[in-house]
Amino acid sequence: NAGVTQTPKFRVLKTGQSMTLLCAQDMNHEYMYWYRQDPGMGLRLIHYSVGEGTTAKGEVPDGYNVSRLKKQNFLLGLESAAPSQTSVYFCASSYLKLAQVDEQFFGPGTRLTVL
Amino acid sequence: GESVGLHLPTLSVQEGDNSIINCAYSNSASDYFIWYKQESGKGPQFIIDIRSNMDKRQGQRVTVLLNKTVKHLSLQIAATQPGDSAVYFCAENIDSGGYQKVTFGTGTKLQVIP
Repeated sequence: NAGVTQTPKFRVLKTGQSMTLLCAQDMNHEYMYWYRQDPGMGLRLIHYSVGEGTTAKGEVPDGYNVSRLKKQNFLLGLESAAPSQTSVYFCASSYLKLAQVDEQFFGPGTRLTVL
Repeated sequence: GESVGLHLPTLSVQEGDNSIINCAYSNSASDYFIWYKQESGKGPQFIIDIRSNMDKRQGQRVTVLLNKTVKHLSLQIAATQPGDSAVYFCAENIDSGGYQKVTFGTGTKLQVIP
């Protein structure tokens, strides 16, 4: 199993450009998440999905959109990139079992720089 | 408000010594806590968890202690090895209507001195 994969690994954008980050998981997990990680701060949840066709806002959703058309894929879109969106983006997935710990499996991250 | 934080941003330990990484939390309603390890250039990786009704849990070379009275969590690593060098995050999980809301701390960097 590849686990959680993310593409691309690195990207540089100019202010105002758009792009889509792709996350894929092969563990048949129901839950998927997008986080951003900034220096001196913990992971902050952008959006999440509890199943195919569903999405929900996390802690810092502004400027991002997501889609979960297939269970194994979770896409994060930046409509009009801003320098404040320079960050490392992590995707994660989990299979929440009732009364059990929700261990999240993370991808390797995408380092995005917006100039 | 809710917060999960760490007392020390960087911890340096000698190889072979024990490491203790601390975490404070403020939400007494948390269901459980997880420690994650993040190596340079990689995503976080699950280490160990502890439910809120437990005081202690042991894994392989790691022990997590939970003190609900003072809302404190610690991760102890026995016989620290160079491969333990990483950033360690604590995270608190709260059941939010079928979704596990996770709040991550800012992280502690563990440096192992050979």
